[in-house]
Amino acid sequence: DTAVSQTPKYLVTQMGNDKSIKCEQNLGHDTMYWYKQDSKKFLKIMFSYNNKELIINETVPNRFSPKSPDKAHLNLHINSLELGDSAVYFCASSQASGGAYNEQFFGPGTRLTVL
Amino acid sequence: QQPVQSPQAVILREGEDAVINCSSSKALYSVHWYRQKHGEAPVFLMILLKGGEQKGHEKISASFNEKKQQSSLYLTASQLSYSGTYFCGTGSGGSNYKLTFGKGTLLTVNP
Repeated sequence: DTAVSQTPKYLVTQMGNDKSIKCEQNLGHDTMYWYKQDSKKFLKIMFSYNNKELIINETVPNRFSPKSPDKAHLNLHINSLELGDSAVYFCASSQASGGAYNEQFFGPGTRLTVL
Repeated sequence: QQPVQSPQAVILREGEDAVINCSSSKALYSVHWYRQKHGEAPVFLMILLKGGEQKGHEKISASFNEKKQQSSLYLTASQLSYSGTYFCGTGSGGSNYKLTFGKGTLLTVNP
């Protein structure tokens, strides 16, 4: 049974398009995250939600909009895609007391390529 | 503030040992260690929360210094399966939720 799942695994699209990535966790965790890993493997947090409430919003272009319909799901919508958005996007989750104090479980990642 | 990891890369022969360091200029709430194999997600290894703490996980162990500004990951008698990129993630002032990751250390274990 997959703990954190993401769809799609690969996403290839043209500049200017809008796309979404979906994430679901079945661990019963209250906190979910989106990370971006660039070509140099730098893993950087973008957003975090705790029980559907946005708690971390790093310096991310407002073309990126997370949405959490319930605590088991966290989706990422990206408008007007740019070449620099090409990266692997990881979803993760952790227990309620916070990702700084608890193991984070990562999804398999979505490789986004913008042409 | 991003923690500093060293070395950036290390190549070992099976059975050799390695140490990966992670340091910060300020005291940390926590240090996490993750391993990521090529094309896969990062996988949690261990977390250290207390100054002076040491933890082990089979032949992989870690320490957190008393001032809570540095952690080291020790890999002993390395196996081929240890190959991957090791990241430290640190929790520090202001947020219980945010982990800031270092740039990673690429470990290659050769036969």
